[in-house]
Amino acid sequence: AAGVIQSPRHLIKEKRETATLKCYPIPRHDTVYWYQQGPGQDPQFLISFYEKMQSDKGSIPDRFSAQQFSDYHSELNMSSLELGDSALYFCASSPGTSGANEQFFGPGTRLTVL
Amino acid sequence: AQSVAQPEDQVNVAEGNPLTVKCTYSVSGNPYLFWYVQYPNRGLQFLLKYITGDNLVKGSYGFEAEFNKSQTSFHLKKPSALVSDSALYFCAVRDSYNTDKLIFGTGTRLQVFP
Repeated sequence: AAGVIQSPRHLIKEKRETATLKCYPIPRHDTVYWYQQGPGQDPQFLISFYEKMQSDKGSIPDRFSAQQFSDYHSELNMSSLELGDSALYFCASSPGTSGANEQFFGPGTRLTVL
Repeated sequence: AQSVAQPEDQVNVAEGNPLTVKCTYSVSGNPYLFWYVQYPNRGLQFLLKYITGDNLVKGSYGFEAEFNKSQTSFHLKKPSALVSDSALYFCAVRDSYNTDKLIFGTGTRLQVFP
């Protein structure tokens, strides 16, 4: 079965640089979620999109922005990177926004900021 | 406010023995409860969920969980542990009044010894 695809899988950036993470949801899933998991921590919700509109927003820094495109893929744009942004970034998708639907997670993008 | 507590950082169990990973939650509405497993350098894999109905839910790989409303708990169980079950387990909750983000517990590392 098709899963959530994230690219790149690994990314190394310098402080103050920018990064773009991409997420391709499971086919026919119209809702995308982004989470950040710091070392040894639980995943923290950043932002979500439903039908290309922002649906909910969590603890996402102002330096970050995201969008969902017409083909439902999503991109997380991160600017002025800081050392503390080093983390595993997960994308998840689900069919619709019903709370009863489980979220299917991608393998994550490991971002290292030097 | 929504929250999830996993009181044990690590659970050790011998192969073949039953295992329990504990989870308690706090939400303002009706809880939607989930268990995910994370293997090293991998994404989160969905195990099972409770939305409504029977308090005992069965999921993947022989895992099950019991919803207890009075104790606000959703403990993960398996009758006979396997060494391959060794991983990091996350309990998560979604509030029926807030349908997007998952709130995760801090995770419990399960170690199954041969």
